Amino acid sequence: DAKTTQPNSMESNEEEPVHLPCNHSTISGTDYIHWYRQLPSQGPEYVIHGLTSNVNNRMASLAIAEDRKSSTLILHRATLRDAAVYYCTTNTNAGKSTFGDGTTLTVKP
Amino acid sequence: DAGVIQSPRHEVTEMGQEVTLRCKPISGHDYLFWYRQTMMRGLELLIYFNNNVPIDDSGMPEDRFSAKMPNASFSTLKIQPSEPRDSAVYFCASSLVRGRSPLHFGNGTRLTVT
Repeated sequence: DAKTTQPNSMESNEEEPVHLPCNHSTISGTDYIHWYRQLPSQGPEYVIHGLTSNVNNRMASLAIAEDRKSSTLILHRATLRDAAVYYCTTNTNAGKSTFGDGTTLTVKP
Repeated sequence: DAGVIQSPRHEVTEMGQEVTLRCKPISGHDYLFWYRQTMMRGLELLIYFNNNVPIDDSGMPEDRFSAKMPNASFSTLKIQPSEPRDSAVYFCASSLVRGRSPLHFGNGTRLTVT
């Protein structure tokens, strides 16, 4: 399974953009890249996913490097409710998603 | 849709007792996953099912752990006998299509073994 590497923590000011990086250098060609976030006392919540092209949804944008060995989750305007642990995973065709340690995002008012 | 439903939310038991955790996946989802989360080890995949059949149980820590999925709408994770080191939050998740579809997680069962 592809291993993902993320910074342990990041800080952002409210209403500023946030770029959360992830390295997945051992990803295989058919693995999807998924991002989740987890609030305290809750299960992980799906944010966005992609394969090769950049993706946008109402929550965030996902920028995928051309070689697919890294990706960046972009929150365009961070709010206090975006403070959470963000996980980047690679989802294999066998259906397995392996979670790394995630990035704890702190949003300052 | 109510999402993935897990019960109980909290379980406190004594060492040596049997513990059964329950999960109802989202209707129509073909894949069901059991994860365990601890501070030390993060989120670990224990086992997953496809169409009620166990596909990969390589993450199950030892024989004290077993999981079943008797039908498409119900799964159990059983620990017998339980030990203090089993204390963790156990999450169930389901998904529609392998690889492409996101996981939908329940709110977890917090297990404390004293």
